[in-house]
Amino acid sequence: GESVGLHLPTLSVQEGDNSIINCAYSNSASDYFIWYKQESGKGPQFIIDIRSNMDKRQGQRVTVLLNKTVKHLSLQIAATQPGDSAVYFCAENISPDSNDYKLSFGAGTTVTVRA
Amino acid sequence: NAGVMQNPRHLVRRRGQEARLRCSPMKGHSHVYWYRQLPEEGLKFMVYLQKENIIDESGMPKERFSAEFPKEGPSILRIQQVVRGDSAAYFCASSLGTVNQPQHFGDGTRLSIL
Repeated sequence: GESVGLHLPTLSVQEGDNSIINCAYSNSASDYFIWYKQESGKGPQFIIDIRSNMDKRQGQRVTVLLNKTVKHLSLQIAATQPGDSAVYFCAENISPDSNDYKLSFGAGTTVTVRA
Repeated sequence: NAGVMQNPRHLVRRRGQEARLRCSPMKGHSHVYWYRQLPEEGLKFMVYLQKENIIDESGMPKERFSAEFPKEGPSILRIQQVVRGDSAAYFCASSLGTVNQPQHFGDGTRLSIL
């Protein structure tokens, strides 16, 4: 399953398939990006981060891809499981200096895994 | 190894009352951030504090809102004379530093204004 476009708030994916969640960011000067997962009633949970000097970074079952040319970020989840059902947010650093403290969050994509 | 702890989890206040939201960062973290989330939206940055200092409060309304992070004890987000529009989920995050250090979030305080 794949979410496309600037803002597709929902993604339905079959259990076991790969998921791709897309995110367009706004600030070409942003140099640090994070993906968070938020389950109902909980706070955002850190998944993976990437700096702008990288194009790709892999974690456990997740891969983040960064395309600075078109200001696009994606999160790929391999072999999606029911526990992956949540809202996924991309966040970009918009700090006015060289630190990473000020994050701007996207609207989020709701991922639903079908059994 | 406890994560970021926020309390209370739910808070109900009448218009005009004060709301106090508490946040204990992860052990060893001296950087604290507060965010606000409205339903169906992403989080919006409010304020960044580092032990006893407010570093950036550009996202926090100038009136009625204040934040502190004392030398001892939790960080407090205080909202005076609450109005209906203050109803939201307020999340606190902490980090070890501010470069290449991701922010880790608590489970938030859901504030409801009657």
